Amino acid sequence: AQTVTQSQPEMSVQEAETVTLSCTYDTSESDYYLFWYKQPPSRQMILVIRQEAYKQQNATENRFSVNFQKAAKSFSLKISDSQLGDAAMYFCAYHRIRSQGGKLIFGQGTELSVKP
Amino acid sequence: DSGVTQTPKHLITATGQRVTLRCSPRSGDLSVYWYQQSLDQGLQFLIQYYNGEERAKGNILERFSAQQFPDLHSELNLSSLELGDSALYFCASSTKPGQGFRNEQFFGPGTRLTVL
Repeated sequence: AQTVTQSQPEMSVQEAETVTLSCTYDTSESDYYLFWYKQPPSRQMILVIRQEAYKQQNATENRFSVNFQKAAKSFSLKISDSQLGDAAMYFCAYHRIRSQGGKLIFGQGTELSVKP
Repeated sequence: DSGVTQTPKHLITATGQRVTLRCSPRSGDLSVYWYQQSLDQGLQFLIQYYNGEERAKGNILERFSAQQFPDLHSELNLSSLELGDSALYFCASSTKPGQGFRNEQFFGPGTRLTVL
C-alpha cells in the first residue's frame, strides 16, 4: 500500500523568506502523480501544485516549486518570498495512475506559520 | 470557490443518531469522492462514485453508506453515530477516474460534524 509521510508537523518562516516543506512517499508503482494542497483556517482544500512522476522537470507555480526526487521518493515544496497569506496547513498527496479509483492518499500535514 | 457545494456546513447531533451529508459536484464532473478529516486519523478517503456507480472504497465504516444519484449529486449517510465520528467531511469531484493529474479533485468547503 502506498504511504505518504510529512515529518515536519510545524514550520515557521519570516515574511519574504523561503521555506521548504518535506514529503516522502512509498510506492511500488512507476507512474503516479503527486500534489501539494493548502488548507487555510477556512478549511478549504486548495491545490497548490502537481507533479507527474514521468516528468523529470520539477513543477513550478509562481512562488511555489517542488523538488521531485523519484529515486529517493521525495517531493518537497519550496515557497519563495513567503507571504502572510501562505500561513496554512500543507498536505502532500499521492495519486495512482490507472487506478480503478482516483483516491488521494494524504500525508499528516505541516502547519506553516509566517512571521511578519 | 471550487464549484463543489456541500450542505450543511455544520451539523451537531447526538450519539446514536443518523445524519445525511449532501454534495453537489462541479458541473460536468462525473466522479464524487468523500474524505474524512479528523485530528487522530488525518485526511482519509472514504468512498468514490463515478456516474452513479461505486468505484472505490477506502476506510469507510459499515455504519456509513453513500450513493450518487442520476443528477450526479451524492449523499453520505452516517448512522449509529459515535463521539469518534466527529470530523470534517469533504466531498470532492473530478471528471474521470484514474486520469492522473488531469483528474484534479476539486474540494467542497466541507461539513463539520459534531457528535455530542
